[in-house]
Amino acid sequence: DADVTQTPRNRITKTGKRIMLECSQTKGHDRMYWYRQDPGLGLRLIYYSFDVKDINKGEISDGYSVSRQAQAKFSLSLESAIPNQTALYFCATTSRANTEAFFGQGTRLTVV
Amino acid sequence: AQSVAQPEDQVNVAEGNPLTVKCTYSVSGNPYLFWYVQYPNRGLQFLLKYITGDNLVKGSYGFEAEFNKSQTSFHLKKPSALVSDSALYFCAVRDGGAGSYQLTFGKGTKLSVIP
Repeated sequence: DADVTQTPRNRITKTGKRIMLECSQTKGHDRMYWYRQDPGLGLRLIYYSFDVKDINKGEISDGYSVSRQAQAKFSLSLESAIPNQTALYFCATTSRANTEAFFGQGTRLTVV
Repeated sequence: AQSVAQPEDQVNVAEGNPLTVKCTYSVSGNPYLFWYVQYPNRGLQFLLKYITGDNLVKGSYGFEAEFNKSQTSFHLKKPSALVSDSALYFCAVRDGGAGSYQLTFGKGTKLSVIP
């Protein structure tokens, strides 16, 4: 089983709809992140959380919100999806600053 | 603010030849540097990291990287490229002197190994 699991893996939704992407991890890490990947732009940080009571905006948080339901769960929501939110979304976890991040398999989101 | 530059969008190399994927960084504190690889339709896989110590770091699949503080670079290298190395490679940096633990990625370099 994967250490970092994202659901769904693929999703097509209509403009204006609310959608939630979910992430769960079995690594026991306290730090969790949401990134989006666009061709030619690399990975950009949307939100990050260092524990259940700590939520921080990243580089491109507008149009997104998150919820840290438990240490192992971190959800990303698009309140009203728009086409330029079409991208590949990744969840990641780390334990300490000097350790590598572990990534989920990604969620490919298409907003039509 | 921390940043990463990968100056080449694409690198082409013949199978069996050495490969280099370039990365330069900017952070205010001590840099923690990472390389990740992404195969089509897959998540990012960790290759190697530099935290402290020896400037030459060895990682998975025969890859290595050299930390150069004066040039603020962390280039990824492999002595002999394989066709299976073809993928998208990302360099990332974290500021070890700050408390935020944010990981900043470069835009990625597509490596194509030609048979």
